[in-house]
Amino acid sequence: AQSVAQPEDQVNVAEGNPLTVKCTYSVSGNPYLFWYVQYPNRGLQFLLKYITGDNLVKGSYGFEAEFNKSQTSFHLKKPSALVSDSALYFCAVRAWSLGGYQKVTFGTGTKLQVIP
Amino acid sequence: DSGVTQTPKHLITATGQRVTLRCSPRSGDLSVYWYQQSLDQGLQFLIQYYNGEERAKGNILERFSAQQFPDLHSELNLSSLELGDSALYFCASSGGQGATSGRDNEQFFGPGTRLTVL
Repeated sequence: AQSVAQPEDQVNVAEGNPLTVKCTYSVSGNPYLFWYVQYPNRGLQFLLKYITGDNLVKGSYGFEAEFNKSQTSFHLKKPSALVSDSALYFCAVRAWSLGGYQKVTFGTGTKLQVIP
Repeated sequence: DSGVTQTPKHLITATGQRVTLRCSPRSGDLSVYWYQQSLDQGLQFLIQYYNGEERAKGNILERFSAQQFPDLHSELNLSSLELGDSALYFCASSGGQGATSGRDNEQFFGPGTRLTVL
């Protein structure tokens, strides 16, 4: 069974500092990995994804994520945090499951708080 | 705007009642997913449909059911409602289930329906 772990319920970072939101996964076969962001009272918005190729993926709003196959991790990063980045971040994995269809599993979410 | 629409935005009802939530996917998307988000359980995947057929089931209760119609819109039916069913219900859509990667793999989420059961 596939799974996603976001070990931190909340991450606090000062504005202007680099931020990291952690994600590890477990799947059989090659994973498709995603990050989504959710602002209060809104639906989730797609940030970036890793399918294949370069391990460093760049996405929206200056975010990037690094795929590490040996550590089965896909941490979200940003060089300089903004107060407006404060939101709930979800990591997700998509992989082929029994029956030949793609199954998506979301992590529990990490609340990012950027302090002015 | 993701292109996914959900109605209604808010729904207040009483225990024991039945409600229907509606979702229209992005134009051209064949897959529709339903999720439940609550404070204590986070984002829970309920069910997925692809081009009218059920494709995957998650933590969906027997009191809940869904379907996807020929025009690809989907409805989530919740019956015998309990206080604990109060939550945000999201619909998401994505493209085909083809083996090749590309733009179709990410999901586009609607704004959600907030259900309050009193």
